[in-house]
Amino acid sequence: DVKVTQSSRYLVKRTGEKVFLECVQDMDHENMFWYRQDPGLGLRLIYFSYDVKMKEKGDIPEGYSVSREKKERFSLILESASTNQTSMYLCASRTGTGMTDTQYFGPGTRLTVL
Amino acid sequence: AQSVTQLDSQVPVFEEAPVELRCNYSSSVSVYLFWYVQYPNQGLQLLLKYLSGSTLVKGINGFEAEFNKSQTSFHLRKPSVHISDTAEYFCAVSKTGANNLFFGTGTRLTVIP
Repeated sequence: DVKVTQSSRYLVKRTGEKVFLECVQDMDHENMFWYRQDPGLGLRLIYFSYDVKMKEKGDIPEGYSVSREKKERFSLILESASTNQTSMYLCASRTGTGMTDTQYFGPGTRLTVL
Repeated sequence: AQSVTQLDSQVPVFEEAPVELRCNYSSSVSVYLFWYVQYPNQGLQLLLKYLSGSTLVKGINGFEAEFNKSQTSFHLRKPSVHISDTAEYFCAVSKTGANNLFFGTGTRLTVIP
């Protein structure tokens, strides 16, 4: 079974702090994704990566950056956390170059910024 | 650009009754269509996907969906729901050859005993 793990299930941070969310997948997938999930808005793509050190902006990249130094690990960084970044963050991974392959999701990190 | 509309934010249904969760999409090009389910406190799990071929797609847990190109719809159905089907369901679309998914806003299915 594909496994996507996220470093924390729950996280509480203060405004202005630098926040790291880590995601690891164990299936040698080329593609990895970060989404945020908010009630009534569904999932929105923040960033994705199709290879090591490669990244592309999604629909809502403002206030976020990412890092992919190793194939299995994709980090989401909030440089200076703000209260409007309180959300559920979901990581996903997928193999292949087209959308015929399934995206596998981690359990999510619920981040609260105070 | 693609967009996905899930017309119902919440659907309550009695146990063993049928259910239909509606999804419409807009796209000027060929698309792939997906339904994902999110059980409480979990990530998303793929229920089924339409890539090509037969317009009726069968998924896990007794769910199926029908692709209707003329109505740009991909509604999810189950003939008899169980308590364990209580979850949030997301419809998603991707343009063929693209690398990412566009999700709808989700439908919360609540099965009432």
